[in-house]
Amino acid sequence: KAGVTQTPRYLIKTRGQQVTLSCSPISGHRSVSWYQQTPGQGLQFLFEYFSETQRNKGNFPGRFSGRQFSNSRSEMNVSTLELGDSALYLCASSLLFDRTYEQYFGPGTRLTVT
Amino acid sequence: QQQVKQSPQSLIVQKGGISIINCAYENTAFDYFPWYQQFPGKGPALLIAIRPDVSEKKEGRFTISFNKSAKQFSLHIMDSQPGDSATYFCAAVISNFGNEKLTFGTGTRLTIIP
Repeated sequence: KAGVTQTPRYLIKTRGQQVTLSCSPISGHRSVSWYQQTPGQGLQFLFEYFSETQRNKGNFPGRFSGRQFSNSRSEMNVSTLELGDSALYLCASSLLFDRTYEQYFGPGTRLTVT
Repeated sequence: QQQVKQSPQSLIVQKGGISIINCAYENTAFDYFPWYQQFPGKGPALLIAIRPDVSEKKEGRFTISFNKSAKQFSLHIMDSQPGDSATYFCAAVISNFGNEKLTFGTGTRLTIIP
């Protein structure tokens, strides 16, 4: 079974621009979560989608948004990029069946804001 | 607020030795505790997980010890190998449906030397 895939793997953007990252979960997984990983803050939860609905949201500004499609694929968008948004953005998928909480991560998208 | 505290930040262990990483949590509502292993350039990979109704779980060379009263849990890697060199994250989840976001520790960079 294929793992979680994220595209693109690397991205360089300029401050003030916006960016869209994509995540395809493991087949059959209906929950997709997004995390930001930085050396200073570690892994921080952004938001989680289940059946096209945002169920949980972390403490990030409204510039960070996401959505999930009917095939469980998810996108996250960051508008008005700031230098501090440079990070590894990780997507994780979960089956969420029979109270299974294992989350499986993709390789991440490395975003650099200049 | 750091809800999961992880130590040490970095650890160097000789090949064949035992690597021990500790985590402490504050929120007693957490009831699922996974450990993730992350290699450079990769997303975190689920290694082993435990629920607080057991005090120990072993999978191969990896063991989680759990102390519910002290709100602490630890990862032991027996017979540590150079291939175990990676960053390890503990995490915690409140496993009631609709709230399964991972709260991560700050990570431990483990280096196994020959």
